[in-house]
Amino acid sequence: DIQMTQSPSSLSASVGDRVTLTCRASQSISSYLNWYQQKPGKAPKLLIFGASDLYSGVPSRFSGSGSGTDFTLTISSLQPEDFATYYCQQTYSSNTFGPGTKVDIK
Amino acid sequence: HLQLLESGSGLVKPSQTLSLTCTVSGGSISSGDYFWTWIRQPPGKGLEWIGNIFHSESTDYNPSLQSRVTISVDSSKNQFSLQLTSVTAADTAVYYCGRGSSGYNSLDYWGQGTLVTVSS
Repeated sequence: DIQMTQSPSSLSASVGDRVTLTCRASQSISSYLNWYQQKPGKAPKLLIFGASDLYSGVPSRFSGSGSGTDFTLTISSLQPEDFATYYCQQTYSSNTFGPGTKVDIK
Repeated sequence: HLQLLESGSGLVKPSQTLSLTCTVSGGSISSGDYFWTWIRQPPGKGLEWIGNIFHSESTDYNPSLQSRVTISVDSSKNQFSLQLTSVTAADTAVYYCGRGSSGYNSLDYWGQGTLVTVSS
């Protein structure tokens, strides 16, 4: 089974900050990596698919990069609505979610 | 605009079977471009993939749940369903249904989620 880790588990940031979240796979998953945003009490929303493709309607301040085992999600200028938990998901072999990174207000 | 809505019992007794249905509106469940999925999230915890069903009605399940899970589809009703047998308190979670897109198998549409509590 492919295991996913995310770091940090949580971070505090301010509006306007550049934020980088990391996701690592236990073995190569090529570009089969998706990112989701979840706010409390809500379903997750797709942000990035295929490691770096921005899903329709997602603001351009979100970007993804990486391939193989190491991936990043970057928010170029954090907005108030971006405070949430972010999950990565690998779909290279079956399906596994990372444990999430919670982004809260400093 | 595609919408998914979970329905089913919110309270299930231990050792019994959890049954949920996801009703899809605004699009056909029979489209070959997509698959349909169940995800769950225990209170305060992360997301756990349960399984997928494809337009061919083939399925793919989380190995940790495979012996207890069945996902099926009813195209005539534009619905797909989840059954999880022999539940315990560890199965208490918000259950989400969703749609996956071929390619990178990302989940682009989600239901609102429904809380299922396992308790006597």
